[in-house]
Amino acid sequence: DTAVSQTPKYLVTQMGNDKSIKCEQNLGHDTMYWYKQDSKKFLKIMFSYNNKELIINETVPNRFSPKSPDKAHLNLHINSLELGDSAVYFCASSTSVGGETQYFGPGTRLLVL
Amino acid sequence: DQQVKQNSPSLSVQEGRISILNCDYTNSMFDYFLWYKKYPAEGPTFLISISSIKDKNEDGRFTVFLNKSAKHLSLHIVPSQPGDSAVYFCAATLNDYKLSFGAGTTVTVRA
Repeated sequence: DTAVSQTPKYLVTQMGNDKSIKCEQNLGHDTMYWYKQDSKKFLKIMFSYNNKELIINETVPNRFSPKSPDKAHLNLHINSLELGDSAVYFCASSTSVGGETQYFGPGTRLLVL
Repeated sequence: DQQVKQNSPSLSVQEGRISILNCDYTNSMFDYFLWYKKYPAEGPTFLISISSIKDKNEDGRFTVFLNKSAKHLSLHIVPSQPGDSAVYFCAATLNDYKLSFGAGTTVTVRA
């Protein structure tokens, strides 16, 4: 039974389109995150939610909008996709704010053409 | 600006030998350090961690050493096994739930 799941696993789309990536965790965690792994393989945090409230919002274009309908879900919506958005996006969760061990999903590989 | 650096992009080691992975950081305020392991097409999985008040933490074949004065930590895997072939990420946090990751080191264990 997958702890942190993401859909879709692969996403290929055209520039200018709007797309969403979904994330769900069944660990009962309060905090969820979105990370971006770029072409240089660095994992960089984008957003974090705790109990549906936004607590981290790094310098990310406002074309990216996270949404947390409940504490088990954190979705990422991206408007007007650009070539530079191509990356692997990882969702993660942890027990609480300050819960250092984060559990990651399998990643969503986004390719913008 | 990368605050966590893994300067060796790859490491090849013979099965049964020791693998030593290194990580340097620039922010002296980091108070918790973690190592994650990642297989292709999967997300990173937590491996081992260490608090800044310790200098060593051991879990089975994995040991993490922390040298705060040098702002350096290392992961030792003894003995290395074929299943250890993966990418290893070093990460650090200010205990504010924001992990800063290194670029990763790809470990290949040769039979």
